[in-house]
Amino acid sequence: KQEVTQIPAALSVPEGENLVLNCSFTDSAIYNLQWFRQDPGKGLTSLLLIQSSQREQTSGRLNASLDKSSGRSTLYIAASQPGDSATYLCAVRPWTNAGKSTFGDGTTLTVKP
Amino acid sequence: EAQVTQNPRYLITVTGKKLTVTCSQNMNHEYMSWYRQDPGLGLRQIYYSMNVEVTDKGDVPEGYKVSRKEKRNFPLILESPSPNQTSLYFCASSLSVVNSYEQYFGPGTRLTVT
Repeated sequence: KQEVTQIPAALSVPEGENLVLNCSFTDSAIYNLQWFRQDPGKGLTSLLLIQSSQREQTSGRLNASLDKSSGRSTLYIAASQPGDSATYLCAVRPWTNAGKSTFGDGTTLTVKP
Repeated sequence: EAQVTQNPRYLITVTGKKLTVTCSQNMNHEYMSWYRQDPGLGLRQIYYSMNVEVTDKGDVPEGYKVSRKEKRNFPLILESPSPNQTSLYFCASSLSVVNSYEQYFGPGTRLTVT
C-alpha cells in the first residue's frame, strides 16, 4: 500500500528565505504527483502537477522536482513571502489505478515578516 | 467561473439520519472524487468516479454511497451517519485521469454527527 510522508510537519522561516518542502512515497510506480496548498478552513489549491515521465515543473517562484527511483519529490519556494504561509500537501496517483490518490499529511509553513 | 461547488458547507445532524452532500462542477470534467480530512489522519479518498455511471471505492468507503448519473454531479450519501463520520469533506474533479490532468477541489463541507 502506498504511503506518502511529508517532513517536516511544520516549518517557520523569515521572509525572503528560499526553502524546500519534502514529499516521500514508498511505491515508485506512480502516474503523477501533484502539489497543493491549503489555507486554514479552505479547500485545496493546485500548485504543480508532475507526470511520471517528467523531472520537474515550474510556476513562478515555485519549482517541483520528482525522483521516482528514490521515491521523492521536493517543492522549492524562492524568496518566500508571508502570503506563502499555508499547509502544503503532496498527492500521488498509482500507475496501476490512476483514479486513486494518496495524500501526505502536509507541511505547515509560516513565513514571518 | 470554473468551479467545484459543495452543499451544504456546514451541517450538524444526529446519528442515523440520512443525509446527502452534493457536489457539482461546471468544467465538463470526467473524473470526480470524494475525500475526508481528519486531524492526524490527513486526506483520505472515499469514492471516485472515472465517468458517468462508473464509480469505485477509495481507501475509506465504509458507511458511504455515491452515484454518478450526470457528468456534473457526484453526490455523497450517508444513509445512517455515525459520530465517527464527523469530518471535513472535500469533493474534487479533473478533466480526466488519462494524460494527468490536475485535480480541482471544492471548498469543503464540515459535517458534525452527534
